[in-house]
Amino acid sequence: GNSVTQMEGPVTLSEEAFLTINCTYTATGYPSLFWYVQYPGEGLQLLLKATKADDKGSNKGFEATYRKETTSFHLEKGSVQVSDSAVYFCALSWGSSASKIIFGSGTRLSIRP
Amino acid sequence: DVKVTQSSRYLVKRTGEKVFLECVQDMDHENMFWYRQDPGLGLRLIYFSYDVKMKEKGDIPEGYSVSREKKERFSLILESASTNQTSMYLCASSPPGNTEAFFGQGTRLTVV
Repeated sequence: GNSVTQMEGPVTLSEEAFLTINCTYTATGYPSLFWYVQYPGEGLQLLLKATKADDKGSNKGFEATYRKETTSFHLEKGSVQVSDSAVYFCALSWGSSASKIIFGSGTRLSIRP
Repeated sequence: DVKVTQSSRYLVKRTGEKVFLECVQDMDHENMFWYRQDPGLGLRLIYFSYDVKMKEKGDIPEGYSVSREKKERFSLILESASTNQTSMYLCASSPPGNTEAFFGQGTRLTVV
């Protein structure tokens, strides 16, 4: 069946460091891919998405490119800030109308000042 | 803005109790979901509904049931709560098609 595999955490970086969080997926057909973020004490919110191969999603300085050939959707940011400390989830959705959404295990990111 | 509202932020129930978790969305979305979130396991799909009275099992449906009598409301039922159902429960909704889900704030359930 469909699945999402995400880089395990926790990840600790210094402010202004480069961030990569790896995500790979297994899916039939043409899924959409997402990154969600959960800040401390808050609910899940969408960070960015890509709906077809070679699409790049971007938001708040984060980027991820839908790579069908490597079945990947890695999250990157060139210079992280303390305020980026959160848990990040990779997710995929499939189905034309009754669309299921499944998530990876989450990666906790901590940024040191 | 889409709003998904879960009836309680925190609940404490006793083993063996029947527990109802309620979720309401205000955007006329067809799809609704219940997940549980546990450290190191991410979000796991319990049940999914794509229309009124229509439901599908997710990855971990054992011990749970759901009800969707109206489009805006999706209830998760723990028939006989057990301690291994202590978790954070998240409700979400989405329109049809491969698009994002919108989440409620979550209900932290403790079964003692």
